[in-house]
Amino acid sequence: AQSVTQLGSHVSVSEGALVLLRCNYSSSVPPYLFWYVQYPNQGLQLLLKYTSAATLVKGINGFEAEFKKSETSFHLTKPSAHMSDAAEYFCAVRTGYSTLTFGKGTMLLVSP
Amino acid sequence: EAGVTQFPSHSVIEKGQTVTLRCDPISGHDNLYWYRRVMGKEIKFLLHFVKESKQDESGMPNNRFLAERTGGTYSTLKVQPAELEDSGVYFCASSQGGQKIQETQYFGPGTRLLVL
Repeated sequence: AQSVTQLGSHVSVSEGALVLLRCNYSSSVPPYLFWYVQYPNQGLQLLLKYTSAATLVKGINGFEAEFKKSETSFHLTKPSAHMSDAAEYFCAVRTGYSTLTFGKGTMLLVSP
Repeated sequence: EAGVTQFPSHSVIEKGQTVTLRCDPISGHDNLYWYRRVMGKEIKFLLHFVKESKQDESGMPNNRFLAERTGGTYSTLKVQPAELEDSGVYFCASSQGGQKIQETQYFGPGTRLLVL
């Protein structure tokens, strides 16, 4: 069975600093991996997804993630945090037709 | 193009009452999914419709939950009778169609259910 672990329920950064949100997955088959973001009072919005075409995936709002099979990781990064990046971020894996399996989420806090 | 919409945005009910949540997917999307996030836990899959048929309902917690998608358009999720542990945020998502597991699921804003 597939699973996702997000390290850190809360991550705090200063505006302009590097953002690194960690995600490790467990899957017995090649995974399809997703990062979603939820801004306050909104639904989940897709940031980016890995579908085996390229290991470095670029998403919206300057975010990117690198798939590392040897480390079973799919960490999300952004070179310079913006105040508007404050939100909750979810890593998810999909190996079946129906189901997305989510991590517990990481709340990103950005201070001025 | 309108996104996935859900109604109501919030619902507060007493234990033992019935609540019905509604989801309108993106127009033309054959796939519709329900997920739930209980406070402090991860978002968990409940079920998946392809058009009006239930493709996978392995995540439904028990028979107090009934999901329907008559006509293959909007869907309802009824909880009857509601229990305290049913409190959480219920998300609906939709995707276009076809057997593509890398297909993006588009999520609605969720319905926040509180059972007292």
